[in-house]
Amino acid sequence: GNSVTQMEGPVTLSEEAFLTINCTYTATGYPSLFWYVQYPGEGLQLLLKATKADDKGSNKGFEATYRKETTSFHLEKGSVQVSDSAVYFCALTDTGRRALTFGSGTRLQVQP
Amino acid sequence: DAGVIQSPRHEVTEMGQEVTLRCKPISGHNSLFWYRQTMMRGLELLIYFNNNVPIDDSGMPEDRFSAKMPNASFSTLKIQPSEPRDSAVYFCASSLGGENNEQFFGPGTRLTVL
Repeated sequence: GNSVTQMEGPVTLSEEAFLTINCTYTATGYPSLFWYVQYPGEGLQLLLKATKADDKGSNKGFEATYRKETTSFHLEKGSVQVSDSAVYFCALTDTGRRALTFGSGTRLQVQP
Repeated sequence: DAGVIQSPRHEVTEMGQEVTLRCKPISGHNSLFWYRQTMMRGLELLIYFNNNVPIDDSGMPEDRFSAKMPNASFSTLKIQPSEPRDSAVYFCASSLGGENNEQFFGPGTRLTVL
């Protein structure tokens, strides 16, 4: 079956630090990969996505590259802000299955 | 656009009671998803509909859970009878359909079963 593995949190960084959140996946078909963000008390919002190997998704300074050879989709940002504090979920959809399979989520805390 | 609307936002009930959660998807979206979020199991799919038809209900825990989508603008998730282990945040999401289309999530319903 499909699965997504994320690094354990929380991740605590100072403002303007570099962020990496690791994500690896297992899929039976040709997955599309997503990063969602959840702010406190809110639903999930799509942050970025990539639909095929070597695609790079980017949004709001965040980036992730679909690496088929390492089955990874690591999230990066060059300079985090306090407002980036949230829980980040890596997820995938697979061929013929539209529902998202989520990782366990990684909480990011950015301190001023 | 108002986005995906869920009600109630919070529900506290006693074990054994019936609970009904409601969702209004974004107008024009033809796929609707119900997810559950718990500390122990994270985010997991319960059921999804395409054009009002249930496509995958493999995540529905047991017979106590049922979901309906009588029309394109409304869906319900019912738990009868409720149990304390059903306490979770229940999210509804909708999308235009297709495997790569973005799913838009509602704010969730936080259910507490005492």
